[in-house]
Formats: sequence, C-alpha cells, structure tokens
Amino acid sequence: SQTIHQWPATLVQPVGSPLSLECTVEGTSNPNLYWYRQAAGRGLQLLFYSVGIGQISSEVPQNLSASRPQDRQFILSSKKLLLSDSGFYLCACWDTREFFGPGTRLTVL
Amino acid sequence: KQEVTQIPAALSVPEGENLVLNCSFTDSAIYNLQWFRQDPGKGLTSLLLIQSSQREQTSGRLNASLDKSSGRSTLYIAASQPGDSATYLCAVTSASGSARQLTFGSGTQLTVLP
Repeated sequence: SQTIHQWPATLVQPVGSPLSLECTVEGTSNPNLYWYRQAAGRGLQLLFYSVGIGQISSEVPQNLSASRPQDRQFILSSKKLLLSDSGFYLCACWDTREFFGPGTRLTVL
Repeated sequence: KQEVTQIPAALSVPEGENLVLNCSFTDSAIYNLQWFRQDPGKGLTSLLLIQSSQREQTSGRLNASLDKSSGRSTLYIAASQPGDSATYLCAVTSASGSARQLTFGSGTQLTVLP
C-alpha cells in the first residue's frame, strides 16, 4: 500500500522568505500527485496536480509553484511568502483512490 | 464548476446516539464520493468510498449512501463514541483534463460527549 511522507511537519517563516515543502510517495509508480491547502475554517483547496514527471497543472493563481523532479517526488515552493500562505498543506496520491500524507503546518508571520 | 456543501458545520451529540451527516454536490458527473475523517492537526483518513454506480457502502458502525441524480450523500454513524469526535469531510472525484480531482466540502465538526 502507498505511504506518503511530508516534511517538515511544521514550519514558521517570516513574510517574504522562500518556501520548499517536500512530498515523497512509496508503494506505487507513476501516480497522480496533488497539493492541497487547508486554511483555518475553510475546506481543502486543490493547488496543483501532476500526472507525471515535469507535468504540473495549477488550479489557482498564487505566488506558489510546484515541481515534480522524480516520479515519486512532489515539491511545493514559493520565492516570497505572504501572510495568506499560512495553512495546512497536504500532499495526496491517487491510485484507485486518494491517499493523503500527514500534512505540513505552515505559519507565516 | 463542482461545489460540495456539508451540513451541519458542527454537531455535538451525547455518546450512544445515532447521527447523520449530510453532503450535497452540484455536478452529478462524478466518478466516486468519499468520506474522510480528519483529527486536529492531522492528515485525512479515508472512511468510505462509493463508486458512482453504487448506492451505499458500510464499514462497521459507518454507512454512507449516494444518490447521484439528486447530488446527495449521507454518512450515518451508529452508536456514536467519544473517539468518533473529529471533522468529517465529504469529497467527490471528477475529471479535469488527464487527472482526476477531488472537490471537498468544508466539513462537519463532530463532538461526541461522554
């Protein structure tokens, strides 16, 4: 079965600083990968998805970007964080059904 | 664009009660519907998945139904326990380009009082 790893688990960053969140997947190959964000008091919002290496689709315009350098690695990045980037970031993998990672709690101060 | 709504937003019940959580979606062209559980500060755990061709799924004290034509699903929890306290999220899977995507409701926060 699939296992999704995310790190770091928590992160506190100042406004304007860069960001890199990493997600890796075990137990499957060529999965669809997803980044979701859950802001306080709101549902999960799909940010990016990828159907293969180097293939990224963005769902919402923002100052975030994603990359997939390897089949089972998905990275979420920003050059300059905003206060509104605070939230709980979840990586997910689809393989007959969706599996979610443990999440990264990002606080931008 | 698919929209998913969950009612109620929050629910508090005494231990032992049966309860129903509701989910509705606007576009009936879905592959499946899932119910997830999320504990505070944690990721999502899939509870039940109903394929678009199915009417219901059961797992232990949980039963989920799907009425695709009316865009509704319910999650029934029997004999609730304090350990059931969590946020329950409903999500539908639909296609967008070459990838399947989940659209989530905002969740129902359940508290079961001992």
